[in-house]
Amino acid sequence: DTAVSQTPKYLVTQMGNDKSIKCEQNLGHDTMYWYKQDSKKFLKIMFSYNNKELIINETVPNRFSPKSPDKAHLNLHINSLELGDSAVYFCASSQEGVGGVWETQYFGPGTRLLVL
Amino acid sequence: TQLLEQSPQFLSIQEGENLTVYCNSSSVFSSLQWYRQEPGEGPVLLVTVVTGGEVKKLKRLTFQFGDARKDSSLHITAAQPGDTGLYLCAGSFASSYKLIFGSGTRLLVRP
Repeated sequence: DTAVSQTPKYLVTQMGNDKSIKCEQNLGHDTMYWYKQDSKKFLKIMFSYNNKELIINETVPNRFSPKSPDKAHLNLHINSLELGDSAVYFCASSQEGVGGVWETQYFGPGTRLLVL
Repeated sequence: TQLLEQSPQFLSIQEGENLTVYCNSSSVFSSLQWYRQEPGEGPVLLVTVVTGGEVKKLKRLTFQFGDARKDSSLHITAAQPGDTGLYLCAGSFASSYKLIFGSGTRLLVRP
């Protein structure tokens, strides 16, 4: 059984298009995340939802809009795609940690986005 | 400027050699995690360290959290080709939902 799944795995699209990436976790976790990994492999948090509420919103262009219909799903919609949006996007989930000690974050397989 | 700097960035060694990867910061973390990411996959947690000076072992991997909780190291003994991958450290602060990832170390173990 896949713990954290993302679709699609690959996404090739033209500049200016709007696209969505979907994420689902079957671990019963409270918190879900979107990360962006650039070509240098640097992994940076974009958004996080805890029980369907947005709790982290990093300095990300407002062309990126996350949506969490329920605790098990966190989708990412991107408007007016730009060349610089090309990257690997990872979804992750975790149980809420206690006192700043983080539980394991479980990552999905990633969505490789290429904007032409 | 990266909050968590890892060194070296790249490491190519022969099977059987030992190696150490470092994760350094000027910030104090409440906990620190190490992940390994293989090509085409997401990162997978290896260990979490919480207490300053803590040492944890996972088979041939030894993880240490610095006394001041600002740095950490990962030592691999007798590296094997299966150890090849991207190693990421990640730190967290108390009362924050955010996990800060390091710059990564790409390890290649040649047979």
